[in-house]
Amino acid sequence: KQEVTQIPAALSVPEGENLVLNCSFTDSAIYNLQWFRQDPGKGLTSLLLIQSSQREQTSGRLNASLDKSSGRSTLYIAASQPGDSATYLCAVSQAGTALIFGKGTTLSVSS
Amino acid sequence: GAVVSQHPSWVICKSGTSVKIECRSLDFQATTMFWYRQFPKQSLMLMATSNEGSKATYEQGVEKDKFLINHASLTLSTLTVTSAHPEDSSFYICSAGGPAGYNEQFFGPGTRLTVL
Repeated sequence: KQEVTQIPAALSVPEGENLVLNCSFTDSAIYNLQWFRQDPGKGLTSLLLIQSSQREQTSGRLNASLDKSSGRSTLYIAASQPGDSATYLCAVSQAGTALIFGKGTTLSVSS
Repeated sequence: GAVVSQHPSWVICKSGTSVKIECRSLDFQATTMFWYRQFPKQSLMLMATSNEGSKATYEQGVEKDKFLINHASLTLSTLTVTSAHPEDSSFYICSAGGPAGYNEQFFGPGTRLTVL
């Protein structure tokens, strides 16, 4: 059974700092991996989608990497801003299944 | 593109009543939609997979008679919580497979259900 783990559970950083969020999964037979952002009481915003054949994806200040063989992904946020404060969720899909989510990392960026 | 809406965004109801939540893909057709539930400070847990024109597939531990799912068209799936109780209070989120299939899923904004 696929399990997704995110470390750390919470993170507080000052504005401007670069940071890395970690995601690991137990079954490397994934179809793709997605990173989402969730603001309190809100739905999900898709940030990056990495196909199983890809190593990384970039969007603005965000960069996500995928090492499928080791079951790991990282989300790198450059020059963090207070507006980046949210919960970041990692999720994997396997062929024919819905997404399996980690518990998320709650990020707080102080100004 | 690939926008998913949910209605209502929040609902408060009395114990014992039924509540219907709609999930719509606005600009694409979705053969498959998924329903998730999220309790406070927890992650999203899949409840069921909804396929257009067929019965939904429920995850283990989810009562199909309590959580009725209907996917009557390629743009609409509904989740009805029957005889809701306080323990059903949660954040319900739907997602739909994107235009290229459910390789990439697009999520609705969620519905906050509070049962008194």
